Amino acid sequence: DAKTTQPPSMDCAEGRAANLPCNHSTISGNEYVYWYRQIHSQGPQYIIHGLKNNETNEMASLIITEDRKSSTLILPHATLRDTAVYYCIVRVDSAGNTPLVFGKGTRLSVIA
Amino acid sequence: GAVVSQHPSRVICKSGTSVKIECRSLDFQATTMFWYRQFPKQSLMLMATSNEGSKATYEQGVEKDKFLINHASLTLSTLTVTSAHPEDSSFYICSAKWRTEAFFGQGTRLTVV
Repeated sequence: DAKTTQPPSMDCAEGRAANLPCNHSTISGNEYVYWYRQIHSQGPQYIIHGLKNNETNEMASLIITEDRKSSTLILPHATLRDTAVYYCIVRVDSAGNTPLVFGKGTRLSVIA
Repeated sequence: GAVVSQHPSRVICKSGTSVKIECRSLDFQATTMFWYRQFPKQSLMLMATSNEGSKATYEQGVEKDKFLINHASLTLSTLTVTSAHPEDSSFYICSAKWRTEAFFGQGTRLTVV
């Protein structure tokens, strides 16, 4: 699975959009981009995933660049409860049969 | 989504004793579960893959005789930390696959004193 690079930390004002970048310049054509988050002292939570098209669900939007070398997770209206570590993971296995490999992630702090 | 439940959420044990952590898939069957360990301010590290009805597969550097994994049913995997030492103190997390996504338990914080 391709390596990802994320900023170690970010701040966001409550109510504003949080835009979390992820670089995956060595991604291959059959690799998906997944996002999970981990609120302090809890297990990770699935947010969203995509291959090449932009995706949106009730939690967030995922924007993948045309060359697929980077992506951005967007939380449209961040709340204090969105404070967490966000992990961008690239993997071939879209069926979920292999374990997720976590990097260091981005620690997002939502500020009142 | 699916629910994965871990028990206990917190445990304190004395050095040299063993501790069992349970991971249950509450509303689905999971032939495969994964066990992770997370030290403070670090990311999750995969320890082992637990397969129902067969032996677990351990990652390099993880002692299989110290971290015993049993996956005796389609809804339950257990991790037993044997002869625990203070350096085993950590946050242990399991996950199971439902459809195509991984769902995680709430984690177990183990403190060995």
